[in-house]
Amino acid sequence: GQQLNQSPQSMFIQEGEDVSMNCTSSSIFNTWLWYKQDPGEGPVLLIALYKAGELTSNGRLTAQFGITRKDSFLNISASIPSDVGIYFCAGQAPGGNKLVFGAGTILRVKS
Amino acid sequence: NAGVTQTPKFQVLKTGQSMTLQCAQDMNHEYMSWYRQDPGMGLRLIHYSVGAGITDQGEVPNGYNVSRSTTEDFPLRLLSAAPSQTSVYFCASWAGNYGYTFGSGTRLTVV
Repeated sequence: GQQLNQSPQSMFIQEGEDVSMNCTSSSIFNTWLWYKQDPGEGPVLLIALYKAGELTSNGRLTAQFGITRKDSFLNISASIPSDVGIYFCAGQAPGGNKLVFGAGTILRVKS
Repeated sequence: NAGVTQTPKFQVLKTGQSMTLQCAQDMNHEYMSWYRQDPGMGLRLIHYSVGAGITDQGEVPNGYNVSRSTTEDFPLRLLSAAPSQTSVYFCASWAGNYGYTFGSGTRLTVV
């Protein structure tokens, strides 16, 4: 089946640093989504991307839908302690309703 | 508040017991799905439904049943619980835009 490779698996950064994570796939997607999961909660949508090349921001977060439609990245600028959590990418294939998820990036922030 | 409601939040079962995880949404979404989350594996699709009366299997359906008699409810049944089903279960619904909305999860332990 379709798989998403998400990297890095985990990051331990200093408060104020920028963060970058990405997802790649061997097949194309029509939609890329980025979610954040806080401990004990369900994933919450951060950014949705619907068009190849699209660059979208949500506060300190910026995500891009790769031109090849096989990758996406998420950047977080000037990290703060509440950015801690697990970040998931998810892709939706053409003609499908199902989402495929990456394995997640665990983000820890040192203050 | 509008959203996806999952019950119970925590459950411990003995091997061989059966139970039903409840999921309800009040957003009139046609599409609903169940995922399980295990460490390092992201979210894996168990079953999904594209509308009342229609269900289909996802990536890891064995040991689980679903039904969709109404738009609002999508229960997940464990027929005979096994330790391998120890996991965190998430229900999600989707209206076609803006990504999925997730419930807060059910943490299941099978002993």
